[in-house]
Amino acid sequence: KAGVTQTPRYLIKTRGQQVTLSCSPISGHRSVSWYQQTPGQGLQFLFEYFSETQRNKGNFPGRFSGRQFSNSRSEMNVSTLELGDSALYLCASSSWTGEDEQFFGPGTRLTVL
Amino acid sequence: QKEVEQNSGPLSVPEGAIASLNCTYSDRGSQSFFWYRQYSGKSPELIMSIYSNGDKEDGRFTAQLNKASQYVSLLIRDSQPSDSATYLCAWSTGGGNKLTFGTGTQLKVEL
Repeated sequence: KAGVTQTPRYLIKTRGQQVTLSCSPISGHRSVSWYQQTPGQGLQFLFEYFSETQRNKGNFPGRFSGRQFSNSRSEMNVSTLELGDSALYLCASSSWTGEDEQFFGPGTRLTVL
Repeated sequence: QKEVEQNSGPLSVPEGAIASLNCTYSDRGSQSFFWYRQYSGKSPELIMSIYSNGDKEDGRFTAQLNKASQYVSLLIRDSQPSDSATYLCAWSTGGGNKLTFGTGTQLKVEL
């Protein structure tokens, strides 16, 4: 089985711009979660989607949003980028509705200048 | 109080030794626990999951869970230089796949 894929792998943006990141889960997996990883804050949960519905949300401002499509692919969007949004954005997929094992994609490295 | 506490290390062990990584958590509602390995510049890779009290073994790895003490650990037997990485513990409670991560322990296996 192919693993989780994320595009793009690297992105450079300037403050005030917006960005959209994409994630394709492992085939058959219906849950997609997004995480932000920074040296200062570590790995933090952004949100989770299951069957096109946001099921959980972390403590991030409304500038961070996401969605999931009927084929389980997911996108996250960050509007009005700030310097502090520079991070590794990770997508993880899991197969079930419960607290199942999550498998991470390679991540998207976002740099905000 | 932090939700998950891990010793950031670095933890140095000689090749062939047992590496012991520990994690304490504060939420008694925690139900599922995971250990991830992350190499520098890479994404986290799942090593073990553990859901009930006791030990779970997979190859050179053993996860131990004690819910009464709110403690989960990972033992790596016969440590190899390729085990050098940051190890992250994570847990989730009911209601979906929201993982809370520790800060990670950096492990160095020396020749």
